[in-house]
Amino acid sequence: ETGVTQTPRHLVMGMTNKKSLKCEQHLGHNAMYWYKQSAKKPLELMFVYNFKEQTENNSVPSRFSPECPNSSHLFLHLHTLQPEDSALYLCASSQFPGVGYEQYFGPGTRLTVT
Amino acid sequence: QKEVEQNSGPLSVPEGAIASLNCTYSDRGSQSFFWYRQYSGKSPELIMSIYSNGDKEDGRFTAQLNKASQYVSLLIRDSQPSDSATYLCAAHGSGNTGKLIFGQGTTLQVKP
Repeated sequence: ETGVTQTPRHLVMGMTNKKSLKCEQHLGHNAMYWYKQSAKKPLELMFVYNFKEQTENNSVPSRFSPECPNSSHLFLHLHTLQPEDSALYLCASSQFPGVGYEQYFGPGTRLTVT
Repeated sequence: QKEVEQNSGPLSVPEGAIASLNCTYSDRGSQSFFWYRQYSGKSPELIMSIYSNGDKEDGRFTAQLNKASQYVSLLIRDSQPSDSATYLCAAHGSGNTGKLIFGQGTTLQVKP
């Protein structure tokens, strides 16, 4: 595997379900990110992790719960979602989280909440 | 609210022409800027980064930055139908958190 991988690629879940999204980066980076891309809206940062520590939570509702066990893996745990949470969820990584470091995206998970 | 603004388009150019994509940003403290290409149904792919005023060239792509005017642009020379995609402009905020602020994207259509 190379770059940033995400599983599953597609997910349909009911509002009462619990599911998790997984991201893995094979670039030797130290920072990982979750972004949300909704139709007709700009890509929006959700969380930033640096060396497994969360450094930014962009006012994300608690029904989204991130987990970063190490610098290569990032999870997004989902529970009691709303239909408006349907979107493309993108994971990204960079060498470090500071200004100037390029971020590389995974293929994304297309989430549909019914 | 710190923002990055782009014209959503679509911008339509004939094959072989120069496509010019523009972006403005509101945070005067932003120091680094990126252009991503996103094909329909795919994730964003980094194509250019620029940190200093002036031009930066990479193959058919040239990024231009003017910090005084808070303006970033991307020129695509000899446009090909395969360049048809949405181009996202992004800026790092002035804090050192790695937070990227994205514009809404400009859809480019290159017609054969």
